[in-house]
Amino acid sequence: QITLKESGPTLVKPTQTLTLTCTFSGFSLSTSGVGVGWIRQPPGKALEWLTLIYWNDDKRYSPSLKSRLTITKDSSKNQVVLTMTNMDPVDTATYHCAQTEGGYYHYYMVVWGKGTTVTVSS
Amino acid sequence: QSVLTQPPSVSGAPGQRVTISCTGSSSNIGAGYDVHWYQQLPGTAPKLLIYRNSNRPSGVPDRFSGSKSGTSASLAITGLQAEDEADYYCQSYDSSLSGSVFGGGTRLTVL
Repeated sequence: QITLKESGPTLVKPTQTLTLTCTFSGFSLSTSGVGVGWIRQPPGKALEWLTLIYWNDDKRYSPSLKSRLTITKDSSKNQVVLTMTNMDPVDTATYHCAQTEGGYYHYYMVVWGKGTTVTVSS
Repeated sequence: QSVLTQPPSVSGAPGQRVTISCTGSSSNIGAGYDVHWYQQLPGTAPKLLIYRNSNRPSGVPDRFSGSKSGTSASLAITGLQAEDEADYYCQSYDSSLSGSVFGGGTRLTVL
């Protein structure tokens, strides 16, 4: 059974850096074609894709957020870490991590974590 | 403004058939990239519903089907049930953005 769980602070102040950890089980991030991505959803709004790390450590970022995002993986710990700098109240959202399959371009989010809600406020 | 365009809402009576469209462009759906669909029940995380245009993961009823043509894709739900009331999102890859994109989501109301 594949599970993913997001963890991190629920409240951050504007300009601070957010660090979220996705801890997963049931699959290996060393398997060809597999990835872990981050997706967020502001309250009452649509899903927004943020970033993805592939099995071979290649990474992709949303162009609009690329300068603020960093994604890393520790396959031995089954963890993926998302860092987002210079947080703003508009970044208030539920942040999900998800296991992806389908390779480089046709990937889809197979299993999602329940998400963690992050509020940005002073 | 989402790169993939979906109708904000659709509705249907129990037992009816509804379709949800997802319109893209030549840099995503029209470029041949696959379309995937997710169902998000109220207060829960999204769940994969259709992958690679028309494939259903194990456990998804065959009332749900997907198709793709040109720069658009569609999700069809037949035999509508009350528990189908949810938000539905399409997703694809966009070559100009070098990343994934989601549609704006469609809220399905079962009358």
